[in-house]
Amino acid sequence: DTGVSQDPRHKITKRGQNVTFRCDPISEHNRLYWYRQTLGQGPEFLTYFQNEAQLEKSRLLSDRFSAERPKGSFSTLEIQRTEQGDSAMYLCASSETGSNTEAFFGQGTRLTVV
Amino acid sequence: ELKVEQNPLFLSMQEGKNYTIYCNYSTTSDRLYWYRQDPGKSLESLFVLLSNGAVKQEGRLMASLDTKARLSTLHITAAVHDLSATYFCAVIVFNFNKFYFGSGTKLNVKP
Repeated sequence: DTGVSQDPRHKITKRGQNVTFRCDPISEHNRLYWYRQTLGQGPEFLTYFQNEAQLEKSRLLSDRFSAERPKGSFSTLEIQRTEQGDSAMYLCASSETGSNTEAFFGQGTRLTVV
Repeated sequence: ELKVEQNPLFLSMQEGKNYTIYCNYSTTSDRLYWYRQDPGKSLESLFVLLSNGAVKQEGRLMASLDTKARLSTLHITAAVHDLSATYFCAVIVFNFNKFYFGSGTKLNVKP
């Protein structure tokens, strides 16, 4: 296993279009996180899955954002009707269950909304 | 909501010098993480600190955690250019299962 994989790496889209990103976590990890990072800032939490259950969503995640993890393995993050303010790096991370766990991050998907 | 503050936000230093990056957080936590990020890349895990007084070292980097002071430090010894990157600390609050990140410290080590 080569770590957390995200696809695509880059996405340029026109305002108003829908986009979908995919994350494949490390295979034995049952926790999966989505974060958003804008230039010069630290990552901000968006949502978190334990297996297929979405356990928490940030207030940053407007109604235009939806995330799924249908079989407890890969996850998708969809943004509908994209806005210029959605331009950011979207990072996925995964971890094992446990109090001493650490999260491993994917390479990220850089979204540019024009 | 938990706040995580790093300072300095920018650090320019000469090779061979020592320096410390500070990470303060606003609520009780006994788990703190340090990550490195190169431009355009993802985050690389450096250290996981799990208890008060924990100290970990890897090469020229040493991280420590004081949970009573809600403070972690990342100390750089005899810096080299390859250490140039942005360093983030992140805190996880027990049972909340999400990481709160600082704004990062952008380190530039001049050859």
